[in-house]
Amino acid sequence: DAGITQSPRHKVTETGTPVTLRCHQTENHRYMYWYRQDPGHGLRLIHYSYGVKDTDKGEVSDGYSVSRSKTEDFLLTLESATSSQTSVYFCAIRSWEANTEAFFGQGTRLTVV
Amino acid sequence: ELKVEQNPLFLSMQEGKNYTIYCNYSTTSDRLYWYRQDPGKSLESLFVLLSNGAVKQEGRLMASLDTKARLSTLHITAAVHDLSATYFCAVVGGSNYKLTFGKGTLLTVNP
Repeated sequence: DAGITQSPRHKVTETGTPVTLRCHQTENHRYMYWYRQDPGHGLRLIHYSYGVKDTDKGEVSDGYSVSRSKTEDFLLTLESATSSQTSVYFCAIRSWEANTEAFFGQGTRLTVV
Repeated sequence: ELKVEQNPLFLSMQEGKNYTIYCNYSTTSDRLYWYRQDPGKSLESLFVLLSNGAVKQEGRLMASLDTKARLSTLHITAAVHDLSATYFCAVVGGSNYKLTFGKGTLLTVNP
């Protein structure tokens, strides 16, 4: 199994509080991604990183920020959680090498009440 | 901006039948992925396709890529109940490194 770990796996938080999700990899892969998955929407890209301190927005980035200060960690922060951010969040990693897979973490189920 | 369309979104099949899921994408890409997801689980990688004409097979699943048509297919042969899952294609587009997903195909294989 690919070395990718998300934490926490489950979290319940209150509206208006900040929340940080962590994605940790041991594969030394260059690219890292954060997605949210909601019924009827598939996987939507929030932010992604193409190197240390190199990040860019995805299609649903409003209300989210990210940081990548070292290769192995990619943090997703909800600055002030809202109920619309209740979702399952997945992290993915991908190598720059062509014929390699992109691997997913186990997911984090976040509930904002 | 890269767009990825899958069809059908819902597919109900009988065991033993064949069917194909289609994945169209809107701009040039240098790689395409297929994934399987079971309810409540993460995504499991099935195939990586890189070049025009690429074909990969694993058991009853076969994936192909036509880069000129910007089309990939996932063909299911003699479906069995264990193949019931949601299948996603995903495309890396252009020079911006984004990995963009289709909405997924919910496959149900009935006895």
